[in-house]
Amino acid sequence: AQKITQTQPGMFVQEKEAVTLDCTYDTSDQSYGLFWYKQPSSGEMIFLIYQGSYDEQNATEGRYSLNFQKARKSANLVISASQLGDSAMYFCAMREKAGTYKYIFGTGTRLKVLA
Amino acid sequence: DTGVSQNPRHKITKRGQNVTFRCDPISEHNRLYWYRQTLGQGPEFLTYFQNEAQLEKSRLLSDRFSAERPKGSFSTLEIQRTEQGDSAMYLCASSLRGTGGDEQFFGPGTRLTVL
Repeated sequence: AQKITQTQPGMFVQEKEAVTLDCTYDTSDQSYGLFWYKQPSSGEMIFLIYQGSYDEQNATEGRYSLNFQKARKSANLVISASQLGDSAMYFCAMREKAGTYKYIFGTGTRLKVLA
Repeated sequence: DTGVSQNPRHKITKRGQNVTFRCDPISEHNRLYWYRQTLGQGPEFLTYFQNEAQLEKSRLLSDRFSAERPKGSFSTLEIQRTEQGDSAMYLCASSLRGTGGDEQFFGPGTRLTVL
């Protein structure tokens, strides 16, 4: 069965430093999509970045990049130059397979950026 | 405000009562999702609409749950004969069919407390 695993319940990072949030996934499908969302304390989920399983290059969106290692089934989020406003819960998610719109989410990682 | 809106934001009800939540997606978005999120967990997929058609439904959605999206605009999620285990945040998201990733825009959620 498809599964998303985020093994870091909480992380600390110093302001302006880079941080990597881990995500591993399990699927037998060849076509799938991987996503990262941010959920601040206000509660609204915010889309950050997307990686398709056939994309050869790692996705980047501003300070966010996705370190996609297909053979290892990992899709780690890298945040560069952390800011205080980055403090939030971060969820990794996967669209199970092509032709479906059922998404599964991990349990999240709470990131705290220290001044 | 052109984002996804949800009403009510909070609902307290007694066990056994019926409740209905409303979601207004971003106007041009044809895809709409409902999720349930409990404390310390990621969102759990409940159901998906493309326009007015309900195309996917999770096994989590028992017979007490029903969702509609008449005319492909707003959506309602009804829970009949509520149970204490239904207490959670109910999230709605919408997206626009296109190529690449299916970036979902989330609403602020409706927090349900069943006494």
